[in-house]
Amino acid sequence: DIQMTQSPSSLSASVGDRVTITCQASQDISNYLNWYQQKPGKAPKLLIYDASNLETGVPSRFSGSGSGTDFTFTISSLQPEDIATYYCQQYDNLTFTFGPGTKVDIK
Amino acid sequence: EVQLVESGGGLVKPGGSLRLSCAASGFTFSSYSMNWVRQAPGKGLEWVSSISSSSSYIYYADSVKGRFTISRDNAKNSLYLQMNSLRAEDTAVYYCARVWVGSGSSWPDYWGQGTLVTVSS
Repeated sequence: DIQMTQSPSSLSASVGDRVTITCQASQDISNYLNWYQQKPGKAPKLLIYDASNLETGVPSRFSGSGSGTDFTFTISSLQPEDIATYYCQQYDNLTFTFGPGTKVDIK
Repeated sequence: EVQLVESGGGLVKPGGSLRLSCAASGFTFSSYSMNWVRQAPGKGLEWVSSISSSSSYIYYADSVKGRFTISRDNAKNSLYLQMNSLRAEDTAVYYCARVWVGSGSSWPDYWGQGTLVTVSS
C-alpha cells in the first residue's frame, strides 16, 4: 500500500506570509496527487488536482507542484479565511490514501 | 446542484451493526463511482470503501475489510454502507463522496455533510 506523509503537522504564519506544505509518497505516484482544505465542522474541499491544477473557483494564491514522490502545496499570501487543515491525497485504482494533514493558523 | 445527504448514523454498542445511507441528487448517479470516507473525532481523513458505477468493482480499507459492505441502488440514486461488528475505533463522521475520474488521477469531488457514528457501551 502507498503511504503518504506530510510536513509540517502544523504551522502558524502571519497574514500575507507565504506558506509551504510538503507531501511525500512511499512510491512513485506520477502526478496522481490532490490537495484538500478542510475547515472545522465542514466537509473537505478540493483545491488542487493532478498535483498542479487549480480547481475551478479556487483563488490563485493556492498552487501545487511536484511529481513522482515529492509534492509541494503553497499559499502565496496567507489570508484569514485560509485557516484550515490541508490534506494531500493519492489515488490508486479506486483506492485513496490521505496524508495526515497540516493544520494552518494565524500567528 | 449536486447534493449528497447521509443518514443512519447514531449510537451503537460494540459488536453492533448500523447501515448508513447516502441519497444523491443533481447528477447522473449511475455514471459515477462513489466512496465512503470517515474522520474520527479530532483526527484526519481515512478512506473506507469505494464502489464503481455498476458495482463491478468494490474496494475496502484493511481496517474495515470483512466487517463493512458497500452497495448502491442506481434506481434509487442511493449509496449504502452496512457496518457490522462495530468497534470503538469505528467512531467517526462518515462522509459519502462522488468520485471524479480525471485524465490520470481520480478524486472525491463532491461530499455530503457527514453522519456521526458513535460506538460505545
